[in-house]
Amino acid sequence: NSKVIQTPRYLVKGQGQKAKMRCIPEKGHPVVFWYQQNKNNEFKFLINFQNQEVLQQIDMTEKRFSAECPSNSPCSLEIQSSEAGDSALYLCASSPRGGNYAEQFFGPGTRLTVL
Amino acid sequence: GDSVTQTEGLVTVTEGLPVKLNCTYQTTYLTIAFFWYVQYLNEAPQVLLRSSTDNKRTEHQGFHATLHKSSSSFHLQKSSAQLSDSALYYCALQTQVVGQLTFGSGTRLQVYA
Repeated sequence: NSKVIQTPRYLVKGQGQKAKMRCIPEKGHPVVFWYQQNKNNEFKFLINFQNQEVLQQIDMTEKRFSAECPSNSPCSLEIQSSEAGDSALYLCASSPRGGNYAEQFFGPGTRLTVL
Repeated sequence: GDSVTQTEGLVTVTEGLPVKLNCTYQTTYLTIAFFWYVQYLNEAPQVLLRSSTDNKRTEHQGFHATLHKSSSSFHLQKSSAQLSDSALYYCALQTQVVGQLTFGSGTRLQVYA
């Protein structure tokens, strides 16, 4: 079973409100990913970190989304001004660094509903 | 960009019969890794199989898959489906060592008694 912890499990916000969710990666995993899974179960990559540094992020993330992985604190993903289209399951995954393509271990997700 | 295609949205099979879930991909990268993830209802996706070696069969929990770069495929198979196999299955491509996964659209497997 995955040891990635995500809080809260459910989040309800009104349009225009901030939405913030947190992720504690599995111990010893320096690489963290955020994905959005929509109601059609489609995955969209948002951003990833190695330790505290951003590796990759998509355009959407740069505009309304902000994320960080501070040292000795949970990683977080925040939507500055929620829109109805942001309603989705937000999955955090962590991965050990290595020379091989290491698998990503997913948390249970935060289900965001924007009213 | 990279893409992964799962042609079946739903596969139904009777318990005890073989099952095959199709997955093909497009990428310009030569060194890649492929994963099959399974997601049970209200649970996190979890890795079922992983492969980065061309033409090598990978097995886990009765499922198997072989990465074929010549046909850009990584189909998932099981010789005898079980009721407990009912879930959503995703194939996913990774082209960089700590890079993002590109997921297919998923196939729901429903096993009937």
